[in-house]
Amino acid sequence: GAGVSQSPSNKVTEKGKDVELRCDPISGHTALYWYRQSLGQGLEFLIYFQGNSAPDKSGLPSDRFSAERTGGSVSTLTIQRTQQEDSAVYLCASSSGLFGETQYFGPGTRLLVL
Amino acid sequence: AQKITQTQPGMFVQEKEAVTLDCTYDTSDPSYGLFWYKQPSSGEMIFLIYQGSYDQQNATEGRYSLNFQKARKSANLVISASQLGDSAMYFCAMSPGYNQGGKLIFGQGTELSVKP
Repeated sequence: GAGVSQSPSNKVTEKGKDVELRCDPISGHTALYWYRQSLGQGLEFLIYFQGNSAPDKSGLPSDRFSAERTGGSVSTLTIQRTQQEDSAVYLCASSSGLFGETQYFGPGTRLLVL
Repeated sequence: AQKITQTQPGMFVQEKEAVTLDCTYDTSDPSYGLFWYKQPSSGEMIFLIYQGSYDQQNATEGRYSLNFQKARKSANLVISASQLGDSAMYFCAMSPGYNQGGKLIFGQGTELSVKP
């Protein structure tokens, strides 16, 4: 079956612009996660959705970052007023939501802020 | 604090040999899950193996096995009969606590190079 998909694959933007990153999870997966992978910080958790609600937003680095999920499916991560330190690979993962269940990752969006 | 530590930034192994990638973790939760993921140069994260904190036996998946030593808080990945395609970054991750939604805390990774 179809895996987790993310778009765009690559995004180059200018400092100060807003960007939207999209994640389409595996059908039927109720849990959705966003992570960021950067050279200096490794892999960091950003936010977790169970259905359309986000019980854990503890990893969002600043109020410039926000995310939503609609219809219990697609999620959008928005970064406002991008900064150069936002440059990273943004990974989305989904799972059945049960404890210990495997998270399946998408291919990521490579964001470069100039 | 909940933390995953991978102390080997890079490892080399000869093709067809076995290799062990180290991982130690720190959590005060009695329920947790431990995962290993592989990330080739193409960038995708590939799930390899899972061990639950209450599992009595070490997990195995094909050529992958997890050497789980709970008292030492270690969860080392053993790859048997290494193949050239095993060259990649390997991440150990922990899902801490039954009520924490399953988010993963990752180690810094180990880059494995398999030599022909």
